[in-house]
Amino acid sequence: DVKVTQSSRYLVKRTGEKVFLECVQDMDHENMFWYRQDPGLGLRLIYFSYDVKMKEKGDIPEGYSVSREKKERFSLILESASTNQTSMYLCASSLRTSGRIGELFFGEGSRLTVL
Amino acid sequence: AQSVTQPDIHITVSEGASLELRCNYSYGATPYLFWYVQSPGQGLQLLLKYFSGDTLVQGIKGFEAEFKRSQSSFNLRKPSVHWSDAAEYFCAVGGRTNAGKSTFGDGTTLTVKP
Repeated sequence: DVKVTQSSRYLVKRTGEKVFLECVQDMDHENMFWYRQDPGLGLRLIYFSYDVKMKEKGDIPEGYSVSREKKERFSLILESASTNQTSMYLCASSLRTSGRIGELFFGEGSRLTVL
Repeated sequence: AQSVTQPDIHITVSEGASLELRCNYSYGATPYLFWYVQSPGQGLQLLLKYFSGDTLVQGIKGFEAEFKRSQSSFNLRKPSVHWSDAAEYFCAVGGRTNAGKSTFGDGTTLTVKP
């Protein structure tokens, strides 16, 4: 089974702090994604990466950055956390193989509260 | 731009009753379509997917979905709901040439009455 592991299930941070959310997948997937989930808004794509050191902005990249130095690891960074970034963050990965593309495997999520 | 609409925010059904969750999509070409389920406090799990071919697709846990191009719909169905099916369900549309980037609907919460 594919396993996507998010290092922190629950975090509480203060406004202005730098926050790192880590995600590791163990199935050699090319693509990795960070989504944000808020009630009534579904999942919104923050950033994605289709290869090491490659990244592309999703629909709501403002206030976030990402890092992908190794194929299995994709980090989401909040340079200066704000209260409106309180949310559930979901990491996902997928293959780039035709016929499997878009089939996402998700981690359990990281619930971030910014005070 | 691709988009997904799930018209029902919340649905309640009795255990043993049939279920249909609606999904309408907007996409410029033939899409990839997905249904995911999320149990409380968990990540999302893929229920089923449509890529091509037979428009009626079978998934895990007894779910099925039908792709109707003329209606831009991909509704999820189950003939007999179990209490363990209570969860949030998300429909998603993805492209074939955009690194697998998917757009999700806002979700439908399913409550199952005993």
